[in-house]
Amino acid sequence: DAKTTQPTSMDCAEGRAANLPCNHSTISGNEYVYWYRQIHSQGPQYIIHGLKNNETNEMASLIITEDRKSSTLILPHATLRDTAVYYCIVASGSARQLTFGSGTQLTVLP
Amino acid sequence: SQTIHQWPATLVQPVGSPLSLECTVEGTSNPNLYWYRQAAGRGLQLLFYSVGIGQISSEVPQNLSASRPQDRQFILSSKKLLLSDSSFYLCAWSGEGDSYGYTFGSGTRLTVV
Repeated sequence: DAKTTQPTSMDCAEGRAANLPCNHSTISGNEYVYWYRQIHSQGPQYIIHGLKNNETNEMASLIITEDRKSSTLILPHATLRDTAVYYCIVASGSARQLTFGSGTQLTVLP
Repeated sequence: SQTIHQWPATLVQPVGSPLSLECTVEGTSNPNLYWYRQAAGRGLQLLFYSVGIGQISSEVPQNLSASRPQDRQFILSSKKLLLSDSSFYLCAWSGEGDSYGYTFGSGTRLTVV
């Protein structure tokens, strides 16, 4: 039972902002939105997570809509090294299992 | 700081041979530990998770088993490998009640021939 919906693939020009959307219309009040990415043949890497408020760290920004039914991960200045599969996951803060969907293949073009 | 070690990075094994993949975590105690599998071009599939020594939960019945002999050690095993066991195996850990989710190891690419 998929909790999130993401586009299968997206392209972004190098140096531009990459905006990756995610729909999570059935999110519960205690569930966070997590973003991970997986570069080919490596383990997934944590990017950012949030509950209600928008969040920013050195890697990305996370914008969560007021109704929390969708969110957008923003990579402000995409580089070729940001080419990866990006996973949006919703889970409670103490979740013992994270379920990874198919994710979005982001390709940053030179 | 916490680190997770997973080895070997690559492994080629004949059908019917046994398997043992090891994962260890440093810099934390009582972590939740996980084994995932990822077939080529597919998503991650949770195989096993453990919340403590000797406590293993299996998500998908199959030709594999897991054990946690020590607090920070998680082992994935098989008595007889099948061709279909060829995959990318990932170990991960999370802290109890940690809302930051998982930290993954670098993975083991297993090819059964």
